[in-house]
Amino acid sequence: EDKVVQSPLSLVVHEGDTVTLNCSYEVTNFRSLLWYKQEKKAPTFLFMLTSSGIEKKSGRLSSILDKKELFSILNITATQTGDSAVYLCAVVRAGGTSYGKLTFGQGTILTVHP
Amino acid sequence: NAGVTQTPKFRILKIGQSMTLQCTQDMNHNYMYWYRQDPGMGLKLIYYSVGAGITDKGEVPNGYNVSRSTTEDFPLRLELAAPSQTSVYFCASSRDGPYGYTFGSGTRLTVV
Repeated sequence: EDKVVQSPLSLVVHEGDTVTLNCSYEVTNFRSLLWYKQEKKAPTFLFMLTSSGIEKKSGRLSSILDKKELFSILNITATQTGDSAVYLCAVVRAGGTSYGKLTFGQGTILTVHP
Repeated sequence: NAGVTQTPKFRILKIGQSMTLQCTQDMNHNYMYWYRQDPGMGLKLIYYSVGAGITDKGEVPNGYNVSRSTTEDFPLRLELAAPSQTSVYFCASSRDGPYGYTFGSGTRLTVV
Protein backbone atom coordinates (compact mmCIF):
# COMPACT_ATOMS: atom_id res chain seq x y z
CA GLU A 1 0.00 0.00 0.00
CA ASP A 2 1.32 3.43 -0.94
CA LYS A 3 2.14 5.73 1.96
CA VAL A 4 2.70 9.48 2.16
CA VAL A 5 3.66 11.15 5.44
CA GLN A 6 3.89 14.89 5.91
CA SER A 7 5.55 16.79 8.71
CA PRO A 8 5.00 18.81 10.71
CA LEU A 9 1.22 18.38 10.97
CA SER A 10 0.86 22.03 11.89
CA LEU A 11 3.08 25.07 12.02
CA VAL A 12 2.55 28.59 13.32
CA VAL A 13 4.90 31.35 12.19
CA HIS A 14 5.01 35.12 11.85
CA GLU A 15 5.04 37.09 8.65
CA GLY A 16 8.48 37.21 7.13
CA ASP A 17 9.57 33.82 8.47
CA THR A 18 10.80 31.04 6.19
CA VAL A 19 9.18 27.63 6.49
CA THR A 20 10.08 24.16 5.27
CA LEU A 21 7.41 21.51 4.87
CA ASN A 22 8.36 17.87 4.52
CA CYS A 23 6.86 14.98 2.61
CA SER A 24 8.19 11.43 2.68
CA TYR A 25 6.74 8.60 0.64
CA GLU A 26 6.74 4.89 -0.01
CA VAL A 27 5.17 4.00 -3.33
CA THR A 28 5.54 1.17 -5.78
CA ASN A 29 6.75 2.29 -9.20
CA PHE A 30 6.90 6.01 -8.38
CA ARG A 31 6.19 8.49 -11.16
CA SER A 32 5.64 11.96 -9.71
CA LEU A 33 5.06 13.95 -6.53
CA LEU A 34 2.67 16.87 -6.43
CA TRP A 35 2.18 19.73 -3.98
CA TYR A 36 -1.18 21.44 -3.48
CA LYS A 37 -2.40 24.40 -1.43
CA GLN A 38 -5.86 24.13 0.10
CA GLU A 39 -7.64 27.18 1.50
CA LYS A 40 -11.07 26.12 2.78
CA LYS A 41 -12.14 24.62 -0.52
CA ALA A 42 -10.62 22.63 -3.36
CA PRO A 43 -6.86 22.04 -3.53
CA THR A 44 -4.99 24.22 -6.00
CA PHE A 45 -1.93 22.93 -7.81
CA LEU A 46 1.53 24.22 -6.89
CA PHE A 47 4.19 21.90 -8.30
CA MET A 48 4.75 18.55 -9.93
CA LEU A 49 8.16 16.95 -9.39
CA THR A 50 9.34 14.00 -11.40
CA SER A 51 13.11 14.30 -11.55
CA SER A 52 15.37 14.16 -8.55
CA GLY A 53 17.43 17.19 -7.55
CA ILE A 54 15.72 19.71 -9.83
CA GLU A 55 14.19 22.62 -7.97
CA LYS A 56 10.84 23.95 -9.06
CA LYS A 57 10.25 27.59 -8.17
CA SER A 58 7.30 29.96 -8.26
CA GLY A 59 7.78 33.31 -6.56
CA ARG A 60 8.46 32.72 -2.87
CA LEU A 61 7.66 29.00 -3.11
CA SER A 62 10.11 26.34 -4.16
CA SER A 63 10.23 22.57 -4.00
CA ILE A 64 12.71 19.80 -4.59
CA LEU A 65 12.52 16.03 -4.80
CA ASP A 66 15.02 13.43 -3.58
CA LYS A 67 14.15 10.09 -5.19
CA LYS A 68 16.97 8.26 -3.46
CA GLU A 69 15.84 9.23 0.03
CA LEU A 70 12.14 9.25 -0.97
CA PHE A 71 11.18 12.71 0.18
CA SER A 72 10.36 16.20 -0.96
CA ILE A 73 10.42 19.60 0.70
CA LEU A 74 8.36 22.69 0.06
CA ASN A 75 9.96 25.98 1.07
CA ILE A 76 8.14 29.25 1.52
CA THR A 77 10.27 32.34 2.10
CA ALA A 78 9.13 35.69 3.50
CA THR A 79 5.77 34.21 4.50
CA GLN A 80 2.61 36.30 4.30
CA THR A 81 -0.77 35.88 5.98
CA GLY A 82 -2.12 34.78 2.59
CA ASP A 83 0.11 31.71 2.78
CA SER A 84 -2.03 30.37 5.63
CA ALA A 85 -3.51 27.13 4.31
CA VAL A 86 -3.25 23.38 4.36
CA TYR A 87 -0.41 22.14 2.16
CA LEU A 88 -0.94 18.70 0.70
CA CYS A 89 1.59 16.38 -0.84
CA ALA A 90 0.51 13.57 -3.17
CA VAL A 91 2.26 10.86 -5.17
CA VAL A 92 1.28 9.06 -8.34
CA ARG A 93 2.46 5.74 -9.70
CA ALA A 94 3.67 5.17 -13.21
CA GLY A 95 1.38 3.70 -15.81
CA GLY A 96 -1.15 0.91 -15.78
CA THR A 97 -4.40 1.18 -13.89
CA SER A 98 -2.83 3.44 -11.26
CA TYR A 99 -2.13 6.23 -13.72
CA GLY A 100 -3.66 9.44 -12.45
CA LYS A 101 -4.67 8.15 -9.02
CA LEU A 102 -3.21 10.41 -6.34
CA THR A 103 -2.27 9.16 -2.87
CA PHE A 104 -2.28 12.10 -0.46
CA GLY A 105 -0.52 12.78 2.79
CA GLN A 106 -2.51 14.12 5.72
CA GLY A 107 -1.41 17.68 5.09
CA THR A 108 0.45 20.40 6.99
CA ILE A 109 -1.63 23.23 8.43
CA LEU A 110 0.35 26.45 8.11
CA THR A 111 -0.78 29.52 10.05
CA VAL A 112 1.00 32.81 9.42
CA HIS A 113 0.38 35.56 11.97
CA PRO A 114 0.83 39.26 11.10
CA ASN B 1 -15.26 28.24 -18.46
CA ALA B 2 -16.95 26.20 -15.72
CA GLY B 3 -14.30 23.47 -15.19
CA VAL B 4 -15.58 20.85 -12.74
CA THR B 5 -19.03 21.51 -11.25
CA GLN B 6 -20.30 19.67 -8.19
CA THR B 7 -23.80 19.74 -6.77
CA PRO B 8 -25.05 20.09 -4.13
CA LYS B 9 -22.56 22.15 -2.10
CA PHE B 10 -24.04 21.07 1.23
CA ARG B 11 -26.34 18.25 2.28
CA ILE B 12 -27.59 16.69 5.49
CA LEU B 13 -28.75 13.08 5.28
CA LYS B 14 -30.37 10.84 7.83
CA ILE B 15 -28.88 7.42 8.50
CA GLY B 16 -30.14 4.94 5.91
CA GLN B 17 -31.07 7.53 3.28
CA SER B 18 -29.56 7.52 -0.19
CA MET B 19 -28.38 10.31 -2.45
CA THR B 20 -26.38 11.07 -5.57
CA LEU B 21 -23.59 13.61 -5.70
CA GLN B 22 -23.38 15.12 -9.15
CA CYS B 23 -20.16 15.97 -10.99
CA THR B 24 -19.87 17.47 -14.47
CA GLN B 25 -16.81 18.69 -16.36
CA ASP B 26 -16.70 20.64 -19.60
CA MET B 27 -13.03 20.18 -20.46
CA ASN B 28 -13.46 16.91 -22.36
CA HIS B 29 -11.21 15.15 -19.86
CA ASN B 30 -11.14 11.38 -20.01
CA TYR B 31 -10.03 10.86 -16.39
CA MET B 32 -12.41 11.58 -13.53
CA TYR B 33 -12.14 10.87 -9.80
CA TRP B 34 -14.03 11.02 -6.54
CA TYR B 35 -12.14 11.76 -3.32
CA ARG B 36 -13.31 12.22 0.22
CA GLN B 37 -11.58 14.36 2.83
CA ASP B 38 -12.23 13.80 6.52
CA PRO B 39 -11.38 16.58 9.02
CA GLY B 40 -7.64 17.08 9.42
CA MET B 41 -6.83 14.49 6.81
CA GLY B 42 -5.69 14.32 3.23
CA LEU B 43 -7.90 13.16 0.39
CA LYS B 44 -8.68 9.49 -0.15
CA LEU B 45 -9.72 8.09 -3.52
CA ILE B 46 -13.17 6.49 -3.64
CA TYR B 47 -13.64 5.66 -7.33
CA TYR B 48 -12.15 6.74 -10.61
CA SER B 49 -12.82 6.47 -14.32
CA VAL B 50 -10.49 6.55 -17.33
CA GLY B 51 -13.26 7.07 -19.84
CA ALA B 52 -16.96 6.66 -20.53
CA GLY B 53 -18.11 3.19 -19.53
CA ILE B 54 -14.97 2.41 -17.49
CA THR B 55 -14.83 2.74 -13.71
CA ASP B 56 -12.73 1.20 -10.96
CA LYS B 57 -12.41 1.23 -7.19
CA GLY B 58 -10.01 3.41 -5.26
CA GLU B 59 -8.86 3.13 -1.64
CA VAL B 60 -12.24 3.53 0.10
CA PRO B 61 -15.08 2.35 -2.21
CA ASN B 62 -17.33 0.62 0.34
CA GLY B 63 -20.78 2.19 0.59
CA TYR B 64 -20.49 4.01 -2.75
CA ASN B 65 -21.25 3.37 -6.40
CA VAL B 66 -20.44 5.26 -9.58
CA SER B 67 -21.32 5.25 -13.24
CA ARG B 68 -19.81 6.96 -16.28
CA SER B 69 -22.24 6.95 -19.16
CA THR B 70 -20.82 10.12 -20.77
CA THR B 71 -17.42 11.84 -20.82
CA GLU B 72 -18.86 14.84 -18.96
CA ASP B 73 -20.68 13.25 -16.01
CA PHE B 74 -19.45 11.11 -13.14
CA PRO B 75 -22.12 10.83 -10.40
CA LEU B 76 -21.37 9.24 -7.02
CA ARG B 77 -24.17 7.29 -5.37
CA LEU B 78 -24.41 6.76 -1.61
CA GLU B 79 -26.68 3.89 -0.60
CA LEU B 80 -27.79 3.53 3.03
CA ALA B 81 -25.90 6.54 4.38
CA ALA B 82 -23.90 6.02 7.58
CA PRO B 83 -22.31 8.56 9.98
CA SER B 84 -18.88 7.36 8.79
CA GLN B 85 -19.68 8.91 5.41
CA THR B 86 -19.76 12.38 6.90
CA SER B 87 -17.03 14.11 4.93
CA VAL B 88 -16.23 16.61 2.22
CA TYR B 89 -16.38 15.05 -1.23
CA PHE B 90 -14.30 16.33 -4.12
CA CYS B 91 -14.73 15.40 -7.73
CA ALA B 92 -11.78 15.94 -10.05
CA SER B 93 -10.90 15.46 -13.68
CA SER B 94 -7.64 15.37 -15.56
CA ARG B 95 -6.49 15.60 -19.13
CA ASP B 96 -4.01 12.75 -18.92
CA GLY B 97 -3.44 10.92 -15.67
CA PRO B 98 -1.84 13.31 -13.17
CA TYR B 99 -1.55 16.13 -15.71
CA GLY B 100 -4.00 19.00 -15.69
CA TYR B 101 -5.85 17.87 -12.55
CA THR B 102 -8.84 20.11 -11.80
CA PHE B 103 -10.88 19.81 -8.62
CA GLY B 104 -14.48 20.78 -8.09
CA SER B 105 -15.40 23.02 -5.16
CA GLY B 106 -16.58 20.13 -3.01
CA THR B 107 -19.76 18.83 -1.38
CA ARG B 108 -19.96 18.90 2.41
CA LEU B 109 -22.08 15.94 3.51
CA THR B 110 -23.28 15.33 7.06
CA VAL B 111 -25.03 12.08 8.01
CA VAL B 112 -27.02 12.26 11.25
